[in-house]
Amino acid sequence: GAVVSQHPSRVICKSGTSVKIECRSLDFQATTMFWYRQFPKKSLMLMATSNEGSKATYEQGVEKDKFLINHASLTLSTLTVTSAHPEDSSFYICSAKSMREDTDTQYFGPGTRLTVL
Amino acid sequence: QQPVQSPQAVILREGEDAVINCSSSKALYSVHWYRQKHGEAPVFLMILLKGGEQKGHEKISASFNEKKQQSSLYLTASQLSYSGTYFCGTDGGGTSYGKLTFGQGTILTVHP
Repeated sequence: GAVVSQHPSRVICKSGTSVKIECRSLDFQATTMFWYRQFPKKSLMLMATSNEGSKATYEQGVEKDKFLINHASLTLSTLTVTSAHPEDSSFYICSAKSMREDTDTQYFGPGTRLTVL
Repeated sequence: QQPVQSPQAVILREGEDAVINCSSSKALYSVHWYRQKHGEAPVFLMILLKGGEQKGHEKISASFNEKKQQSSLYLTASQLSYSGTYFCGTDGGGTSYGKLTFGQGTILTVHP
């Protein structure tokens, strides 16, 4: 149990285009999902917290107009990188907290590697 | 505030033990441990919530000190599959409850 999927796993796009990344909890419902960004050989940096039915909360320094987050249901959150530029190239990982557990465990998706040319 | 992990890297032979430490400058709500292999997502190992807590998962165990500022991950009789980067994620609680701040990672390499 507690499987989180992400789609796509890899995406290459041209500068100026927008890219949507989906994060799904496959066998549990998640009121809260998180989006992280990871640069090569670096740690995970929390970008935003996504709550079902409400606006996402962004960490300091993260542009909310550039990284659009939508948490449409208890099993789906999407991250859209708008007008992507080469500096947005990174590994984007989502995580989800299960509603049915009484712990705060976050389960991570397999990640999406974005390359902006 | 980012927790400090030590050491930055560890090289072991199969069967050897390792300890990875995670320190915070202030008391935490919880500590989460993950292992990440290259190009993959972090895999959850365990979570510690209580001061003085110790818990285990097969040959991997962890402790959380009484002040809830330090946690250690213990890897005993290491196997090749233990290789990867280990991260601690800390939850400071309060207004930041539920959000994890990750340490810089500890690269563990196990050789035959």
